[in-house]
Amino acid sequence: EPEVTQTPSHQVTQMGQEVILRCVPISNHLYFYWYRQILGQKVEFLVSFYNNEISEKSEIFDDQFSVERPDGSNFTLKIRSTKLEDSAMYFCASSSSGGGHEQYFGPGTRLTVT
Amino acid sequence: AQKVTQAQTEISVVEKEDVTLDCVYETRDTTYYLFWYKQPPSGELVFLIRRNSFDEQNEISGRYSWNFQKSTSSFNFTITASQVVDSAVYFCALSNYNQGGKLIFGQGTELSVKP
Repeated sequence: EPEVTQTPSHQVTQMGQEVILRCVPISNHLYFYWYRQILGQKVEFLVSFYNNEISEKSEIFDDQFSVERPDGSNFTLKIRSTKLEDSAMYFCASSSSGGGHEQYFGPGTRLTVT
Repeated sequence: AQKVTQAQTEISVVEKEDVTLDCVYETRDTTYYLFWYKQPPSGELVFLIRRNSFDEQNEISGRYSWNFQKSTSSFNFTITASQVVDSAVYFCALSNYNQGGKLIFGQGTELSVKP
């Protein structure tokens, strides 16, 4: 069964460093998403991406964040200068269609900023 | 504004008990979708069900059933004859048709099923 994959599973970085979180969505999906979950809290939407551009972003997704689909398979989230409060689990998701179709999530990357 | 409320933070049951997880949503849209996801201790998010706003039929899948009532803006989830493997955090989520599919999650309900 096709699945979303994410690497690395755990990333530890120092405050102020740049990190890139990588995702490989399900191959025939067209809509891609990043969410984050601070430990013990709810899952929060960060950004959606379709047709090589951002379709929507949340207030959390400020200028420190960027997304890219550098090739036909990868989808990345970059945080330019990490802060302590960026520590969270980051989930990538993909969907065959937008507008309410089910999203399939990757296993997540746990980001720890020290 | 769109919002999902899961008032039950934690529920603890003994195996074989039935348990219902509550979900109440708010949206001004007439076309929207509701979801349930399971997050087991391993941390991944597992899709369970999707319902659109025009389909109020209840759904049953094995031991799982869902009750969607537009009149009360609720989408409740019942597990019949619970098992230890059902222990997880369960999230209800809302997506509006015109917003590109972003999911708005509730706070989650942590279900603990004891043997």
